[in-house]
Amino acid sequence: DSGVTQTPKHLITATGQRVTLRCSPRSGDLSVYWYQQSLDQGLQFLIQYYNGEERAKGNILERFSAQQFPDLHSELNLSSLELGDSALYFCASSPRLVSDEQFFGPGTRLTVL
Amino acid sequence: GENVEQHPSTLSVQEGDSAVIKCTYSDSASNYFPWYKQELGKGPQLIIDIRSNVGEKKDQRIAVTLNKTAKHFSLHITETQPEDSAVYFCAATATNAGKSTFGDGTTLTVKP
Repeated sequence: DSGVTQTPKHLITATGQRVTLRCSPRSGDLSVYWYQQSLDQGLQFLIQYYNGEERAKGNILERFSAQQFPDLHSELNLSSLELGDSALYFCASSPRLVSDEQFFGPGTRLTVL
Repeated sequence: GENVEQHPSTLSVQEGDSAVIKCTYSDSASNYFPWYKQELGKGPQLIIDIRSNVGEKKDQRIAVTLNKTAKHFSLHITETQPEDSAVYFCAATATNAGKSTFGDGTTLTVKP
């Protein structure tokens, strides 16, 4: 158990809908990262937050957005969902701003029908 | 941006044999190279990492080597066991940029 929690574990929704994925980092970790893992593919970095502020951006679609709250939990919002958005979404946390060792949560499996 | 290539995509070995997975990276600013193991239904878990000021690091049956000049690094697992079966990911990170680029993963199968 990494200490990172993600909810929900599974999410099934329809095209065009909007969903919110939630992540709670390890106690004391200030950085949160979001990744997308599509079927048979590697991890694609989406975005990083540090202590409430956006710090780095990867290949995140404009339909996706994220935020980190004062209690350091983070939410990833996915809107206007398409079939191709079906994937595992992982959250990871690390203690500092620089992205050294990251601790991954168990992921949220999103299925868009 | 950074590009990480990982080979092979699948690897099957007999229990007790060694397994080697190789990655190359493109960005000379990358200075941190972790390896993650992902078991079915779980998130990736760090198994070993190496920083750019070190050429080799070992932890029991696992070792990682780094060649900064050639921009490649490798994971070595000796005396493989069935529980080593998983997907392994390498990553290259420029720690001041806040981004990690992952390889596409290697599915390792250890046959008893």
